[in-house]
Amino acid sequence: GNSVTQMEGPVTLSEEAFLTINCTYTATGYPSLFWYVQYPGEGLQLLLKATKADDKGSNKGFEATYRKETTSFHLEKGSVQVSDSAVYFCALSDRNTGNQFYFGTGTSLTVIP
Amino acid sequence: DAGVIQSPRHEVTEMGQEVTLRCKPISGHDYLFWYRQTMMRGLELLIYFNNNVPIDDSGMPEDRFSAKMPNASFSTLKIQPSEPRDSAVYFCASSLVWGSYYTQYFGPGTRLTVL
Repeated sequence: GNSVTQMEGPVTLSEEAFLTINCTYTATGYPSLFWYVQYPGEGLQLLLKATKADDKGSNKGFEATYRKETTSFHLEKGSVQVSDSAVYFCALSDRNTGNQFYFGTGTSLTVIP
Repeated sequence: DAGVIQSPRHEVTEMGQEVTLRCKPISGHDYLFWYRQTMMRGLELLIYFNNNVPIDDSGMPEDRFSAKMPNASFSTLKIQPSEPRDSAVYFCASSLVWGSYYTQYFGPGTRLTVL
């Protein structure tokens, strides 16, 4: 079946530190992969996506590369800011399973000045 | 576009009362999803619709939960009777299939507290 596993949190970093949040997936078909971000008190917002192997999604300084050989989609940012403090969700969708989304459990990030 | 609209944003009710949550998807989107988010269980898919038809309601926890989508621009999630363990944030999301992928767009959520 389809599933997403992402690293446990919470993660606490100092401002300007390098961020990596690991995400691996299991899928029966050829999924699209996503990172969503949830700021306090808000809904989930799409951060970036990749629809096929070797694609790189990027937005707001965040990047993730769709690695089919390692079934991974790790989120990275070179220099985090306090405003990046949020919960990050890795997700996949697979048209073979009725266009459902499969979300990871979320990783809480706190960036301290 | 106004995005996905949910109402109310906050709801406080007493155990045993009926609760109705509302959602207006993005115009033109043909999929609508209801999720529940709690600290203990994370984000759970409750039910989703395609072209107003329920496709998968296997995530609906009990018969106390029901969802309808009478037209393309409106959906409701009803809990009757409500219980304290239903306290959570309920999200509605909509999507449009485009090519080989699609993206879900989430509403701001309804924070439900059942006393």
